[in-house]
Amino acid sequence: QQQVKQSPQSLIVQKGGISIINCAYENTAFDYFPWYQQFPGKGPALLIAIRPDVSEKKEGRFTISFNKSAKQFSLHIMDSQPGDSATYFCAASIGFGNEKLTFGTGTRLTIIP
Amino acid sequence: EPEVTQTPSHQVTQMGQEVILRCVPISNHLYFYWYRQILGQKVEFLVSFYNNEISEKSEIFDDQFSVERPDGSNFTLKIRSTKLEDSAMYFCASSDPGFSQAFFGQGTRLTVV
Repeated sequence: QQQVKQSPQSLIVQKGGISIINCAYENTAFDYFPWYQQFPGKGPALLIAIRPDVSEKKEGRFTISFNKSAKQFSLHIMDSQPGDSATYFCAASIGFGNEKLTFGTGTRLTIIP
Repeated sequence: EPEVTQTPSHQVTQMGQEVILRCVPISNHLYFYWYRQILGQKVEFLVSFYNNEISEKSEIFDDQFSVERPDGSNFTLKIRSTKLEDSAMYFCASSDPGFSQAFFGQGTRLTVV
């Protein structure tokens, strides 16, 4: 019940395209859903986060869509750039700012010219 | 920009040996965490630490593991008798009293041989 399932495992997108990564959770007590970006040799870095009282949050080219009834949330990267090539993790926690995070399995995103 | 610093970046140890992984959290942060990431797998929560005591730990964090904040700046993870399956990237993280987000260090790659 604590799992967060993430798909796809890897994704290749052309430069300028839209990258979409999906996550699903089971525990309805989760109420904070961040996305982390990780470059090789670096730790995960918070990219964008959402709480379940909104269905969408946008920051620049990054958008989280949240579907509470389906227990799903997704990351959309618009106008994907080669610099976006990284591993992306969705995560969930109970309580805003509770950093006992349950992570998804990660998506390796590659943006090709 | 303030950052979480971890040392060493890579540690190789023999099975059964004790290792201490070190972290210097961001200076005004009060909440500290250790996560690990086995190669190719998801990031997993190990333990959270606040006010000089463990606030939460996962089932991974058994009696072989301990954490300590020996002074005002360092936060350490000790593994008493390492096993081959302890080989992983270990990430330290810290967050401030406002719980805005956790900042992750760059990680220590532990290789048990």
